[in-house]
Amino acid sequence: DAGVTQSPTHLIKTRGQQVTLRCSPKSGHDTVSWYQQALGQGPQFIFQYYEEEERQRGNFPDRFSGHQFPNYSSELNVNALLLGDSALYLCASSTSGSTVDTQYFGPGTRLTVL
Amino acid sequence: GENVEQHPSTLSVQEGDSAVIKCTYSDSASNYFPWYKQELGKRPQLIIDIRSNVGEKKDQRIAVTLNKTAKHFSLHITETQPADSAVYFCAASIRSSGNNLFFGTGTRLTVIP
Repeated sequence: DAGVTQSPTHLIKTRGQQVTLRCSPKSGHDTVSWYQQALGQGPQFIFQYYEEEERQRGNFPDRFSGHQFPNYSSELNVNALLLGDSALYLCASSTSGSTVDTQYFGPGTRLTVL
Repeated sequence: GENVEQHPSTLSVQEGDSAVIKCTYSDSASNYFPWYKQELGKRPQLIIDIRSNVGEKKDQRIAVTLNKTAKHFSLHITETQPADSAVYFCAASIRSSGNNLFFGTGTRLTVIP
């Protein structure tokens, strides 16, 4: 049973560029949440996708956008990169079932903006 | 929105001693409280969680307690081992609102052999 996977592992971009990160949820999961983890900080919620729609959004600008595909995988897009966007980007998957709360995290994508 | 505070930021204990990490939350609607362990360069891994209808939960050497009235919850690790050394994060969420997690700032636990 494959866990949550993310690609790429590492990415280096320059200011102003755009980036796309990818996430495949754990088998049987239909909900994907994205988090940004700055160095030495706890993860911060960016947004959550369910049924191919953004269901919830944290306090992040519109430069951050996402998508969920019919197979439940998801992408995170960041436009007009800033130095402050350098962080570990984590996705977490879960199910929408009423009795299941657990979110399982992927290994993350380390984004460095120069 | 929800605000989760976590203390201490660093904690050093001797092997075999107990470690306690405490968190407070602000939103009384929060009803799910997981704890994650994150080793350097690795993903956060769920170690234990508790729901608001339960006051305490234990899994071998790890236990979590929840005080809904005071809006705080704690992680207790007994008989610590060097392998317990990592950063621990508490989190809170509201299941009816999509269950997005609000994390504390983390506690770096060092177990000294």
